[in-house]
Amino acid sequence: GAGVSQSPSNKVTEKGKDVELRCDPISGHTALYWYRQRLGQGLEFLIYFQGNSAPDKSGLPSDRFSAERTGESVSTLTIQRTQQEDSAVYLCASSLTRGGAYEQYFGPGTRLTVT
Amino acid sequence: ELKVEQNPLFLSMQEGKNYTIYCNYSTTSDRLYWYRQDPGKSLESLFVLLSNGAVKQEGRLMASLDTKARLSTLHITAAVHDLSATYFCAVDLYNFNKFYFGSGTKLNVKP
Repeated sequence: GAGVSQSPSNKVTEKGKDVELRCDPISGHTALYWYRQRLGQGLEFLIYFQGNSAPDKSGLPSDRFSAERTGESVSTLTIQRTQQEDSAVYLCASSLTRGGAYEQYFGPGTRLTVT
Repeated sequence: ELKVEQNPLFLSMQEGKNYTIYCNYSTTSDRLYWYRQDPGKSLESLFVLLSNGAVKQEGRLMASLDTKARLSTLHITAAVHDLSATYFCAVDLYNFNKFYFGSGTKLNVKP
């Protein structure tokens, strides 16, 4: 079946512009996660959704970052007024339930470059 | 905040050799995950360990979990070049629904 998909795969933007990243989870997966991975580093947890609710947004790096999810479907991560330090790969993952005993399935990521 | 430490961060080994990657974490959790990431690719789930003493094996990789020691190991037996990748461990805090990843261990198996 179809896995987690993300778009765009690559995004180059100028400093100060807004960007929107999209994630389509595996159908039926109620939980959805966003991570940031800087070059050569581990994953930084940003936010998770259970359905369309995001109980904990404390992982978002600043108020320039926001995320939404439509039901148990697509999610968008928006970064406003991008800065060079926002350059990273943004990974989305989904699972059958939050946390729990269910493993996360990762999408291919969106590579964001802020010039 | 939960901290997850992996060591070594870099590992270069010859084909046919055995080695172990260690994953320590700072707060009680009984759920530990191992992932593999190939260069330029996303993460692939390898193992999900859900209880103290859990051991899982797939091919040349074996993962174990000791929740009392807050330690998980990923053992590589008779390494082959195809195992070259970066390996991440991750721990989740169920009550807080956050996943914490280690920095990763970059494994290079020389043919």
